[in-house]
Amino acid sequence: GAVVSQHPSWVICKSGTSVKIECRSLDFQATTMFWYRQFPKQSLMLMATSNEGSKATYEQGVEKDKFLINHASLTLSTLTVTSAHPEDSSFYICSARDQGLAGLPADTQYFGPGTRLTVL
Amino acid sequence: AQKITQTQPGMFVQEKEAVTLDCTYDTSDQSYGLFWYKQPSSGEMIFLICQGSYDEQNATEGRYSLNFQKARKSANLVISASQLGDSAMYFCAMRERNYGQNFVFGPGTRLSVLP
Repeated sequence: GAVVSQHPSWVICKSGTSVKIECRSLDFQATTMFWYRQFPKQSLMLMATSNEGSKATYEQGVEKDKFLINHASLTLSTLTVTSAHPEDSSFYICSARDQGLAGLPADTQYFGPGTRLTVL
Repeated sequence: AQKITQTQPGMFVQEKEAVTLDCTYDTSDQSYGLFWYKQPSSGEMIFLICQGSYDEQNATEGRYSLNFQKARKSANLVISASQLGDSAMYFCAMRERNYGQNFVFGPGTRLSVLP
């Protein structure tokens, strides 16, 4: 199956610093990538939809100035958590949809392994 | 209103037995997809099985099968011959054609397989 990677897998940072998380589709092109956040013992919550070459679409309640998303190529999307605070500590997961299956509601999203962010 | 409901926060099953994880959904869209993902303690989301709303036959993938009852709006996951490695969180998700490309996830069910 398709492979999506994330880097780093975990990161610890001081409050006020910025953290960049990369999401790559390794063996397919992804015009659309998604960023989710998951708090402990909770489900995944969509943060934003990232489209290659255009601005990301953010879900209600997600600050776009705090969570900067860049989708510069068909295989790479980045999420930057700016001026991170302890409440931003969470598990961040990206997913990508295979461009070849565009338009099918049952086409699959492939998830990265996630990045665990801890802000001290 | 919740789009995806998973009423079982936790389930136990004996090794080698079958188990059904419930999922009901709410949509007015005619075209949608239903998915099941497994999330072990490592955190990665592992795709298990999917069903399109127009698929007439229930999806099967190895030990996983999806019991799709369209009229009831349910898409239960059946795991046959449970293994210890099946212990994990299981999420049901839906994607509606009229609402873009993103998934909506249910709250999840934690499955514990007992030896």
